[in-house]
Amino acid sequence: DTAVSQTPKYLVTQMGNDKSIKCEQNLGHDTMYWYKQDSKKFLKIMFSYNNKELIINETVPNRFSPKSPDKAHLNLHINSLELGDSAVYFCASSQVVGGATAQYFGPGTRLTVL
Amino acid sequence: TQLLEQSPQFLSIQEGENLTVYCNSSSVFSSLQWYRQEPGEGPVLLVTVVTGGEVKKLKRLTFQFGDARKDSSLHITAAQPGDTGLYLCAVYQGAQKLVFGQGTRLTINP
Repeated sequence: DTAVSQTPKYLVTQMGNDKSIKCEQNLGHDTMYWYKQDSKKFLKIMFSYNNKELIINETVPNRFSPKSPDKAHLNLHINSLELGDSAVYFCASSQVVGGATAQYFGPGTRLTVL
Repeated sequence: TQLLEQSPQFLSIQEGENLTVYCNSSSVFSSLQWYRQEPGEGPVLLVTVVTGGEVKKLKRLTFQFGDARKDSSLHITAAQPGDTGLYLCAVYQGAQKLVFGQGTRLTINP
C-alpha cells in the first residue's frame, strides 16, 4: 500500500552511461514531481507534470528527460551521466486544489556516478 | 541568495532538552510548510501554517508563523531520539513549485 514508490533504491553507474528511474503513485493525484537532493541535503525541484503535461522545467540540462505515460507514473531518464549527477532523486505527487497542498514523497533513489 | 534561510544548519542536543529552529525570509508568503526527513526516506509534511501569528501544535512540536508572514519557527519540547532528522521549511512559488530551505539537521542524543 505504498503511496509513492521509486525504483531502483540505489543506482551505481559509470560516467557516460544512460539510466532511468521509475516512479509510481497510487494516491490518485494529478501532479507529479522530480526533485534532486545534493550532498548538502538541499532539495530542489527539477520537473513537474500535471495530467501528463510538463508544467515546470527548472533549467535542468537536457540530458534529463522526464516522461509521464499516465498520471500515475513519472519516469526520469538521464543520458550521458556525469559525476555531478550523483545525488538522491525524489519523486513526489500532490493533488493541486488551490492553496498550499501537501506533497507526498517517495523513498528516493541514490544515484552514484563513478 | 536563498529564498528561505534556516538556522541553525546543525543542532545536536541531549534527550529531554527543548530546542527551536528557524526559517527566515525577506519575502511575504501566503503559507509555509514544515517537512521532516528521516535518513533514507523522503520528506513528510508536518504542518502548513497560513495565517500571520498562527500557532499550531503537533504533540511536542509547536509551529509558529510570523505576524508578517515572512518567517516561522519550530519548537520541540522534551526532545526524544525519534525527533532526529532533517527539518525543512518550504513555500510555494505559484501553484505547484515548492521551494525548500536548506534544512536543519537535528540529532537528539540518548
